[in-house]
Amino acid sequence: AQSVTQLDSHVSVSEGTPVLLRCNYSSSYSPSLFWYVQHPNKGLQLLLKYTSAATLVKGINGFEAEFKKSETSFHLTKPSAHMSDAAEYFCVVSPAGTYKYIFGTGTRLKVLA
Amino acid sequence: DTAVSQTPKYLVTQMGNDKSIKCEQNLGHDTMYWYKQDSKKFLKIMFSYNNKELIINETVPNRFSPKSPDKAHLNLHINSLELGDSAVYFCASSQVVGTYEQYFGPGTRLTVT
Repeated sequence: AQSVTQLDSHVSVSEGTPVLLRCNYSSSYSPSLFWYVQHPNKGLQLLLKYTSAATLVKGINGFEAEFKKSETSFHLTKPSAHMSDAAEYFCVVSPAGTYKYIFGTGTRLKVLA
Repeated sequence: DTAVSQTPKYLVTQMGNDKSIKCEQNLGHDTMYWYKQDSKKFLKIMFSYNNKELIINETVPNRFSPKSPDKAHLNLHINSLELGDSAVYFCASSQVVGTYEQYFGPGTRLTVT
């Protein structure tokens, strides 16, 4: 069965320090992978996506993620956190040949001044 | 211009009532979705329509009935509302079914008292 695990429910970083949000997936076939961000009381915004092209994917607002098939991981990183990055982040897997998005449980990022 | 819009944004109603949530997308997408986000932020797909045809119907009580009058609209009607239906409901759309990214609406917060 396909699934996605976000390893941390909460992450706190200081402003200006690196961000790492971890995601592992389980999928029978080559999946597509996505990261979405949800700011408080807002809808979900796509940060970046992996669809079997380059394994290092660059997204909006300085975020990037690396697809590592051997580790079944798709961790999200950013070199320097900004206060406006504080939000809930969702890792999503869409297994090839399916119509579905399978969401992780989310990671709440807190950025400290 | 709003890409995916939902009305209403907030909906407060009593148990046993029937209510509808409307969704419209102006992206020209063929596929639309309804998701439910519970109080713990977990997102789960409920339904998906492709060109007005139902293609995903997860295990959802039959009190929930989606209707797609055309491919730009997907409405959600809920009969006999229960306390457990309280959640945020998100509409989304994608260009085609499957691994293309989905664009989300701002959400409708439903509170059943």
